[in-house]
Amino acid sequence: QITLKESGPTLVKPTQTLTLTCTFSGFSLSTAGVGVDWIRQPPGKALEWLALIYWDDDKRYSPSLKNRLTITKDTSKNQVVLTMTNVDPVDTATYYCAHSRSSGVWYLDSWGQGTLVTVSS
Amino acid sequence: DIQMTQSPSSLSASVGDRVTITCRASQSISGYLNWYQQKPGKAPKVLISAASSLQSGVPSRFSGSGSGTDFTLTISNLQPEDFATYYCQQSHSTRTFGQGTKVEIK
Repeated sequence: QITLKESGPTLVKPTQTLTLTCTFSGFSLSTAGVGVDWIRQPPGKALEWLALIYWDDDKRYSPSLKNRLTITKDTSKNQVVLTMTNVDPVDTATYYCAHSRSSGVWYLDSWGQGTLVTVSS
Repeated sequence: DIQMTQSPSSLSASVGDRVTITCRASQSISGYLNWYQQKPGKAPKVLISAASSLQSGVPSRFSGSGSGTDFTLTISNLQPEDFATYYCQQSHSTRTFGQGTKVEIK
């Protein structure tokens, strides 16, 4: 059974750097054909895809946020970390991490519960 | 980057209705299209991958079709538990979600 859980601060001040950790179990990020994505959802709004990291350490970022995001993995700890620099109130959202698999097409088959991050002074 | 446009943004339907949601990509994505269902306060759940492949455990009243730029999610015989927001997502080039379609009770 795959489980993921997001953790990090609930409140961040504008211009600060946000660091979120996804701790997972039930799979290894060193196994071929596996990835972990980060997605966010502002209150009452749509899902926005942010970044992903593959088992081989290949990384992809949302073009609109690429300059502010960094995704890394620690295979020994079963964790993926997302950092976002220079946060703004518009970055207030629930942040999800999700397990990504491919059957020819990559899709997100297991999600964490999400963590709400508020950006406010 | 690829943009995904869903229509309608919301719809009202009754139990037993047949509902169709459309998703259009800004460029061809072949069959690299997934559909998710999200209920309030919950994480999304994948319903269909690769445009038409029903995920294990998902009721057969859900179906997907399409290829290239135009895709459809159909819910036949709408059930009370189907009232939710539905998102399409492309995985042809990085990832992009549509803006969502909220299915409400009529």
